Amino acid sequence: NAGVMQNPRHLVRRRGQEARLRCSPMKGHSHVYWYRQLPEEGLKFMVYLQKENIIDESGMPKERFSAEFPKEGPSILRIQQVVRGDSAAYFCASSLQGIDIQYFGAGTRLSVL
Amino acid sequence: AQSVTQPDIHITVSEGASLELRCNYSYGATPYLFWYVQSPGQGLQLLLKYFSGDTLVQGIKGFEAEFKRSQSSFNLRKPSVHWSDAAEYFCAVVSMTGNQFYFGTGTSLTVIP
Repeated sequence: NAGVMQNPRHLVRRRGQEARLRCSPMKGHSHVYWYRQLPEEGLKFMVYLQKENIIDESGMPKERFSAEFPKEGPSILRIQQVVRGDSAAYFCASSLQGIDIQYFGAGTRLSVL
Repeated sequence: AQSVTQPDIHITVSEGASLELRCNYSYGATPYLFWYVQSPGQGLQLLLKYFSGDTLVQGIKGFEAEFKRSQSSFNLRKPSVHWSDAAEYFCAVVSMTGNQFYFGTGTSLTVIP
């Protein structure tokens, strides 16, 4: 029973490039959450998706960031025109239903040069 | 607004000693509370959760936590710490909408021989 899978584990981008982070939830889970962790800080909520729907994106920056969770395939967090301040660890979590245990992936560590 | 406070940024204990990590929450109703542990470079692993019922909850790896409504606290305890417990510990509360977790800033635990 595979857990939440995130790839890549590490991603290096130059300023202005695009970053695509992928997340495959646990089998049977249809709720996906994205969080960002800056150094020495806790996790901050970004977005909550169900299959083909964005439920809550209140934590997502208004510009350059987008997320999707298509009917088939992994959830994608996309960051356009990355800046140094985007350097962080991005974690994906999934749950079987809302208000439930969230299971976390190992994260993608994004470094912007 | 919901929030979680972990007053201790860093704690050092001797192996075999007891441990208590503090967590205070701000919430408008009965909270759903969690403790997660994060090893360096890894994702978050669930230690235990409180949804309702018995206010003393048991988790994995010998951890327990006690929910005290009067003190708005959910402190994590372990009677005897092992060197492998060295990690970052996060307390979290589910938002009232159920769409996201609010995390504390974490407590870093160091275990000395």
